[in-house]
Amino acid sequence: GQQVMQIPQYQHVQEGEDFTTYCNSSTTLSNIQWYKQRPGGHPVFLIQLVKSGEVKKQKRLTFQFGEAKKNSSLHITATQTTDVGTYFCAGYAGNNRKLIWGLGTSLAVNP
Amino acid sequence: NAGVTQTPKFQVLKTGQSMTLQCAQDMNHNSMYWYRQDPGMGLRLIYYSASEGTTDKGEVPNGYNVSRLNKREFSLRLESAAPSQTSVYFCASRGLRTLIPGNTIYFGEGSWLTVV
Repeated sequence: GQQVMQIPQYQHVQEGEDFTTYCNSSTTLSNIQWYKQRPGGHPVFLIQLVKSGEVKKQKRLTFQFGEAKKNSSLHITATQTTDVGTYFCAGYAGNNRKLIWGLGTSLAVNP
Repeated sequence: NAGVTQTPKFQVLKTGQSMTLQCAQDMNHNSMYWYRQDPGMGLRLIYYSASEGTTDKGEVPNGYNVSRLNKREFSLRLESAAPSQTSVYFCASRGLRTLIPGNTIYFGEGSWLTVV
């Protein structure tokens, strides 16, 4: 079946270090979304990428969508303790009715 | 504008008991979803409803039933709870798929269910 692999599963960084999580899909995606879930909270939408090779920035966060629309990455520059949480990628494929979710990357930041 | 509201927030059940998780959204969204989240398993889709009057199975539907009561409400029922259903349950909704941010999914705050 369609799968989205997300790596790493966990990442522990010192505050100020950079962080990157990667998503790889077994199938071409029509778009990809990124969500953040704080500990004890619910997933919250961050951004959506639609175009091949698209790059979007939100302050210290940079999101990329691969040329083949099968992979994506989220890069955080100079992490802060407020970045702590689990980051999920999720992509629509085919008829766009269901999101295919990655398992998430849990980020811990040491102050 | 409350978004997606789900109840209860916490529940402890005994094996074999039944219960219903309630969910309502006030964003006039067509699609609604029920997910469960377990450590290391990510978000797994239990059931979804693409529009009022329709429901479809997701990845892990066994042991659950759903009702799309109207456009606003989508309930999840556990007929005979089992310890394997101990999890965090999220209700979610999505608007028209062609519109941004209507294409995004909005989650409720979650329901923590323990089956003993």
